[in-house]
Amino acid sequence: DVQLVESGGGLVQPGGSLRLSCAASGFTFSDYYIHWVRQVPGKGLLWVARISDDGIVTTYADSVRGRFTVSRDRAKNTAYLQMTSLRAEDTATYYCVRLAAGGNYDYWGQGAQVTVSP
Amino acid sequence: DIVMTQSPDSLAVSLGERATINCRSNQSVLYSANNKNYLAWFQHKPGQPPKLLLYWASTRESGVPDRFSGSGSGADFTLTINSLQAEDVAVYYCQQYYKSWTFGQGTKVEIK
Repeated sequence: DVQLVESGGGLVQPGGSLRLSCAASGFTFSDYYIHWVRQVPGKGLLWVARISDDGIVTTYADSVRGRFTVSRDRAKNTAYLQMTSLRAEDTATYYCVRLAAGGNYDYWGQGAQVTVSP
Repeated sequence: DIVMTQSPDSLAVSLGERATINCRSNQSVLYSANNKNYLAWFQHKPGQPPKLLLYWASTRESGVPDRFSGSGSGADFTLTINSLQAEDVAVYYCQQYYKSWTFGQGTKVEIK
């Protein structure tokens, strides 16, 4: 079965850093783009970043560009979201998501909670 | 960005009745070259990750009950849940993947 398991969430002070991990299993990791999507408490879903199957192409939402970095490790079947200069408005549940061949999302991780607060 | 707007924000439906959720985009998500609408629907229950229900506006994901159906084209779409079951209580999101990826604000479905 396809599984995406996030880890690394937690409480961090404004200006701090955090790295989320997304461990993949049940499919050929190197064949798929991985996206990160966040949900602010009580709000909707927002696309954050993506990384290509080969790890060469990365794209970011305007709100996180320059502060967040997405990467992946083929040997570990894991994608990462490095978050720096965190702000209160980055508080959210962060999901890693697999991009299906047609361009839609198919599988989501269970989410990692990130809270930015003094 | 393509803005997705869902209606209503919430609805309460009796068990066994039909629930209808609308989704509108501020530009067409129909790609003329392949005649496909780049529109998906997700079900999101508390404490769980979103679950893909439909893609290409009307193609049901494997394992999704056939009481869930999607229709529409261009910029107007509908998710229909026939014969609502208790386990269908959730927030439903539409998402376009025609240009980047954006979601509707969500529609909360409850039992009346």
